[in-house]
Amino acid sequence: GENVGLHLPTLSVQEGDNSIINCAYSNSASDYFIWYKQESGKGPQFIIDIRSNMDKRQGQRVTVLLNKTVKHLSLQIAATQPGDSAVYFCAESHGSSNTGKLIFGQGTTLQVKP
Amino acid sequence: GAGVSQSPRYKVAKRGQDVALRCDPISGHVSLFWYQQALGQGPEFLTYFQNEAQLDKSGLPSDRFFAERPEGSVSTLKIQRTQQEDSAVYLCASSWDRGPYEQYFGPGTRLTVT
Repeated sequence: GENVGLHLPTLSVQEGDNSIINCAYSNSASDYFIWYKQESGKGPQFIIDIRSNMDKRQGQRVTVLLNKTVKHLSLQIAATQPGDSAVYFCAESHGSSNTGKLIFGQGTTLQVKP
Repeated sequence: GAGVSQSPRYKVAKRGQDVALRCDPISGHVSLFWYQQALGQGPEFLTYFQNEAQLDKSGLPSDRFFAERPEGSVSTLKIQRTQQEDSAVYLCASSWDRGPYEQYFGPGTRLTVT
């Protein structure tokens, strides 16, 4: 399953399928990008990050792709599990800010059907 | 290991009351951030500390909001004369160094102003 734009708030996938969550970022000066998972009643939990000198980074069951030309970021989750159900946020940071503060997107809700 | 902790987890305040929210970051982390998260939205940056110095408070919505980190570890976010629009989850995050790095979030304090 895949969400096709920033304004699609919910992605529903079957357990075992791959998920793709998309994010468009706003500032071409951003040089650090990060994905968080947030479950109900909890704080955001780090998934994976990537810097602008890379276009792909892989973790355990997750891959982040960065396309600086079109300012697009995606998170791929392989073999989605019920425990992956949560809200996913992308965030960007501008290197010139010198603080590392994160600018978050609106989030995508991932629902995994058993 | 110990993560970021916040207290209280829930706070109900009558409009006009002052509140104080506490954050215990991961030991040794240089950077500390406060974010505000409205229902159904991504976190929004409030303020940033590098050790005890408050280097960025550009996200504080009004002069009723005040944050401190006097010894470079524990931080307190204070809201004076609370208003209904202050109702939100207040998240604290810490990072091991300055600049854009992974931020570790606490569980948040849910503030409800009645």
